[in-house]
Formats: sequence, structure tokens, C-alpha cells
Amino acid sequence: KNQVEQSPQSLIILEGKNCTLQCNYTVSPFSNLRWYKQDTGRGPVSLTIMTFSENTKSNGRYTATLDADTKQSSLHITASQLSDSASYICVVSAKNAGNMLTFGGGTRLMVKP
Amino acid sequence: EADIYQTPRYLVIGTGKKITLECSQTMGHDKMYWYQQDPGMELHLIHYSYGVNSTEKGDLSSESTVSRIRTEHFPLTLESARPSHTSQYLCASRLQGGTGELFFGEGSRLTVL
Repeated sequence: KNQVEQSPQSLIILEGKNCTLQCNYTVSPFSNLRWYKQDTGRGPVSLTIMTFSENTKSNGRYTATLDADTKQSSLHITASQLSDSASYICVVSAKNAGNMLTFGGGTRLMVKP
Repeated sequence: EADIYQTPRYLVIGTGKKITLECSQTMGHDKMYWYQQDPGMELHLIHYSYGVNSTEKGDLSSESTVSRIRTEHFPLTLESARPSHTSQYLCASRLQGGTGELFFGEGSRLTVL
């Protein structure tokens, strides 16, 4: 069964600090992995996409990594800001007829001043 | 910004009422989805559609129904609302194939008294 596990479930950090969120998956065959940011009460928005051949990709202060061998991805946030407080969701797409999506449970990040 | 719209954003109704949550997208996407999300919890897929006249139930059992008569429109209906239906409902769409980015609406927060 395809699964996506995220850790930690929740995290509190001080403004200006860095943090790393983890995503482990068992989706097969693998197509791509996306990180989404969901602000409270809003719909998720895509931050970055990782395909099989990509190891690292940056989007401003967000850097995603992918290890396709160990089936792990991480999202690193540098110099956190209060606006980074949100849920971060890892979504893996399978390479099948429907490109089925499997969602992780999300990590709830709170950045405190 | 994604061109996908949900109405109403907020709805408070009494038990037994029939409600329809509207979702429209102007991006010409084939695939559309409805997710249910309780506060602070993960998203659960309740319905999806891969095109006109195509609808399928998702992973989470739901008493709601959907229809897809037009590409751009994917409404969700509850014939008789109950307090257990209180939740946030998120609509999303994406292109067939491609990189599979999901574009989400802002959500409809339903409260059934």
C-alpha cells in the first residue's frame, strides 16, 4: 500500500532559526514529490516539486532534497519568519494511469517571535 | 494565483438541510477533487473526477455526492446535513499527466448545528 509519513507532526521554533521537515514514502512506481504549504484556513499551495533525477531544489528560503534510493525527502527552512507558520504537506505522485496522489499527514510549524 | 473558486466560504445550517458546495476552475483542468479536512488534521480524499461524466469515490467514505456535467464545474451535495458533516471541504484541480501540481480553492467551512 502506498504511504507517506511525515515527521515531526508539529514543531515550534523561534523566529530566525532554521528547521528541517522529513517525508518518507513507499509510493511505487514513483513519479514526483511535492511539498505544499497550507496557511490556517486556506488551501495548500505548492512550494516545490522533486522528480526522480533531482537531489536538491531551492525556492527562496525553502530547500527540498530527495533521496530516491532511501525514498526520503526533506524540506529545510532557513532563517524562519513568522509567516512560515503553517502546515507543510508532502504529496507523492505515482507513475500510473491515474497519477494517483498519496498525501502525508503534514507537519504543523509554529514560528514564535 | 490559482483560478479555482469555491462558494460559499462559510456556511452554518441546521440539521436535515440540503446543501451544495460549488467549485469552479477556469484552467481547463481535466482532474478535479474534493477533500475533507478537520482543523489541524490531514486532508482526506472524498471524491474525484477525471473528466466530464466521470466521478469516483475517494478513500474516505462520505455521504455526499458529486457531479461533473461541465469540465469547469464540480459541485458537492449533501442531501441531509448532520453535525458529523461539520468540516472544511477543499476543492482542487490539475491537468491530466504533466507534473501534477494540484491547485486548491480557498475551501468551504461547513458547520451543521
